[in-house]
Amino acid sequence: LAKTTQPISMDSYEGQEVNITCSHNNIATNDYITWYQQFPSQGPRFIIQGYKTKVTNEVASLFIPADRKSSTLSLPRVSLSDTAVYYCLVGPGGSYIPTFGRGTSLIVHP
Amino acid sequence: ETGVTQTPRHLVMGMTNKKSLKCEQHLGHNAMYWYKQSAKKPLELMFVYSLEERVENNSVPSRFSPECPNSSHLFLHLHTLQPEDSALYLCASSQAPETSGYNEQFFGPGTRLTVL
Repeated sequence: LAKTTQPISMDSYEGQEVNITCSHNNIATNDYITWYQQFPSQGPRFIIQGYKTKVTNEVASLFIPADRKSSTLSLPRVSLSDTAVYYCLVGPGGSYIPTFGRGTSLIVHP
Repeated sequence: ETGVTQTPRHLVMGMTNKKSLKCEQHLGHNAMYWYKQSAKKPLELMFVYSLEERVENNSVPSRFSPECPNSSHLFLHLHTLQPEDSALYLCASSQAPETSGYNEQFFGPGTRLTVL
């Protein structure tokens, strides 16, 4: 499985856009990029998944450059409730068991 | 309502006790997982059942014993635990990795376990 590297922590303020970048230099051709969100004392929650270019849903956008060696999760206009740990996972679509790293701890300040 | 429920939500037990954690999923999935999350550590995958067969056991001590009687229920039996086993135990479900091209995991709320 491709190894991922993401910042340990980030700080932001309410109303700002937050971009969290994940590096995955050895991503394979059949790998997808998936992001999860975890609030304290809760299980992770799926946010978004993509393969290339850009994916957008009601929660976030995922930007993937052409070489796919990195990806950026974009959270528009964050609020205090977006304070959480965000995990970047890379693996083949199906046929693998997601492995979570340390994630990025995002703190949103008033 | 996440579709995956876990009971109990909190559990305090002594090192000589025997207890069980229960997980139930209402999503029609056919794979279930146990994860352990200790303070300031990444999620650790413990066990995976896919199509009701155990497919992964990540060197978990024998004091943890999983049971999957059907695709909707998963148990984690605990016996003679140590204080370092205190953690948040999370259950998750998904479509079976072997059969699905999109295996998003759905997590339960977890059981906060304290071993005295």
